[in-house]
Amino acid sequence: GIQVEQSPPDLILQEGANSTLRCNFSDSVNNLQWFHQNPWGQLINLFYIPSGTKQNGRLSATTVATERYSLLYISSSQTTDSGVYFCAVEPWNFGNEKLTFGTGTRLTIIP
Amino acid sequence: NAGVTQTPKFQVLKTGQSMTLQCAQDMNHEYMSWYRQDPGMGLRLIHYSVGAGITDQGEVPNGYNVSRSTTEDFPLRLLSAAPSQTSVYFCASSSVGGPNYGYTFGSGTRLTVV
Repeated sequence: GIQVEQSPPDLILQEGANSTLRCNFSDSVNNLQWFHQNPWGQLINLFYIPSGTKQNGRLSATTVATERYSLLYISSSQTTDSGVYFCAVEPWNFGNEKLTFGTGTRLTIIP
Repeated sequence: NAGVTQTPKFQVLKTGQSMTLQCAQDMNHEYMSWYRQDPGMGLRLIHYSVGAGITDQGEVPNGYNVSRSTTEDFPLRLLSAAPSQTSVYFCASSSVGGPNYGYTFGSGTRLTVV
């Protein structure tokens, strides 16, 4: 099946810093989503971005489908950004009914 | 609008017991799925459904059963609990596509099998 690799596995930053999280995938995809799992375990959908660029406040994401990677940018980090960020994909020959997750990037923002 | 509701939030089972994890969504989503999350790992797909009456296996289906008799509900049954099924279970739903497409997850069920 499709492989999803996220880097770095852990990231510790001071409040106010910027960060870039990377997701590499091993096959063409028709579905790519970024999720944030907060310290209480809740999973929140951040972006649906199989290609192109999207922005939502301090967060933005870019997927370069032809090169099989996606980047999540967090600017001016806040302590509430702490948690684990997951990338999840679905191969090109499936619909949108199931996702394969990476192992995540654990982000810790220090006040 | 409650989104995706999972019950119970916590459960302790003895080896060999059976139980059903409940999942309900009120967004009229066609797709529903169950994932498990183990420490240090991402989520792994157990079973999924593309509509009422249609289910299929995911990556780790052994020891679990599902059914989907209505659009709203997608229960997950553990047939004979084993310690290896100790995990956090998440239910998710999504539409087929559209401008607001994206997965919505429930708050999870933390299951411990002793």
